[in-house]
Amino acid sequence: EAGVTQFPSHSVIEKGQTVTLRCDPISGHDNLYWYRRVMGKEIKFLLHFVKESKQDESGMPNNRFLAERTGGTYSTLKVQPAELEDSGVYFCASSQGSSYNSPLHFGNGTRLTVT
Amino acid sequence: AQKITQTQPGMFVQEKEAVTLDCTYDTSDPSYGLFWYKQPSSGEMIFLIYQGSYDQQNATEGRYSLNFQKARKSANLVISASQLGDSAMYFCAMREGSSWGKLQFGAGTQVVVTP
Repeated sequence: EAGVTQFPSHSVIEKGQTVTLRCDPISGHDNLYWYRRVMGKEIKFLLHFVKESKQDESGMPNNRFLAERTGGTYSTLKVQPAELEDSGVYFCASSQGSSYNSPLHFGNGTRLTVT
Repeated sequence: AQKITQTQPGMFVQEKEAVTLDCTYDTSDPSYGLFWYKQPSSGEMIFLIYQGSYDQQNATEGRYSLNFQKARKSANLVISASQLGDSAMYFCAMREGSSWGKLQFGAGTQVVVTP
């Protein structure tokens, strides 16, 4: 069984540009999450999809971030326009259930550098 | 308020020795799950072990065990017989029943296993 895959693994862009991150969850996992770790800080929740619906987007930092999950399969996270403080590692995770006892399975992350 | 606290930023441990990584948590929700993840230098987040708030026994998975002390709100990870491949960052995390999918992370503990 393939794990959670993220693309690209690294992205270097200039301030003001747009970047789109992609996540393919484990097949059959309805729940998909985005997290990020900014340098020196803790891993923070961004949002949670159940199928194609946004269940919780309370962690999205501002309206420069747009996440979609059309068709309830893969998801994209777009940052437009990117700012220096957006640099960090963006993780995607998926789980079968969303209850407290269901572990999240993470991808390898996308390391985003905004210069 | 910080929900997950990991007080050890870094630890050195000799090969074949056991190591305990501390984790305390804060919640008023009776239903919650505690997770440990390992992040090696390659970047992926690997799920290690889970403990549920209603579980009577401490969780074990191979060389990993979780010392769950509910009254103290602690969930320490014990790695027995450390191996060089155990060198990584270790994160403690919690999901609360009331907050759906949100997984909250501690700051992490960097473990270095020496020969």
